[in-house]
Amino acid sequence: AQKVTQAQTEISVVEKEDVTLDCVYETRDTTYYLFWYKQPPSGELVFLIRRNSFDEQNEISGRYSWNFQKSTSSFNFTITASQVVDSAVYFCALSVNYGGSQGNLIFGKGTKLSVKP
Amino acid sequence: KAGVTQTPRYLIKTRGQQVTLSCSPISGHRSVSWYQQTPGQGLQFLFEYFSETQRNKGNFPGRFSGRQFSNSRSEMNVSTLELGDSALYLCASSPKPDRGTYEQYFGPGTRLTVT
Repeated sequence: AQKVTQAQTEISVVEKEDVTLDCVYETRDTTYYLFWYKQPPSGELVFLIRRNSFDEQNEISGRYSWNFQKSTSSFNFTITASQVVDSAVYFCALSVNYGGSQGNLIFGKGTKLSVKP
Repeated sequence: KAGVTQTPRYLIKTRGQQVTLSCSPISGHRSVSWYQQTPGQGLQFLFEYFSETQRNKGNFPGRFSGRQFSNSRSEMNVSTLELGDSALYLCASSPKPDRGTYEQYFGPGTRLTVT
């Protein structure tokens, strides 16, 4: 079975601090996809990034960056110079070729990020 | 382009009743998935539909059922509601069910409270 672990339940930082959200995944498939979603208080899950297992290149999008390391089965997310609007619950998710009863996306438990002014 | 819409947004039901939730995917999207989100269990997959056919089903009791219509709109039904069914029910759509090729776009969810 596939699994996603987000060990950090809650993180609190002060505005302008950098923060890294950890994600560790487990799968025996060689082809898989990793995602990060943001869930603000409104409840809607907002897609942030998708990565496939053959592309270990790190990605940067504005203040957001992602570090994918297959050797450690990790897909960490860093927010640089955090802002109050970054406060949300962040989910890491895994998708494999056939999700079966686990479905398309296997989510971690989420990390609640609070950015204080 | 309109996003995924879910109705109703909030619902209060009594134990033993049944409920139907609706999801309209993004125009052109034919794959719809449902997830249940609770504080204890997190996000759990319920079912996935594509072209009116259920492709996958999560580990939920038979009280949970769903269907998809020819216009790709989907409904899920929960019969004989239990207190533990209180949750945020999220619907997601994608053009096709190809794993990872298309990201899933989520709706705002339906908050179900069972009393």
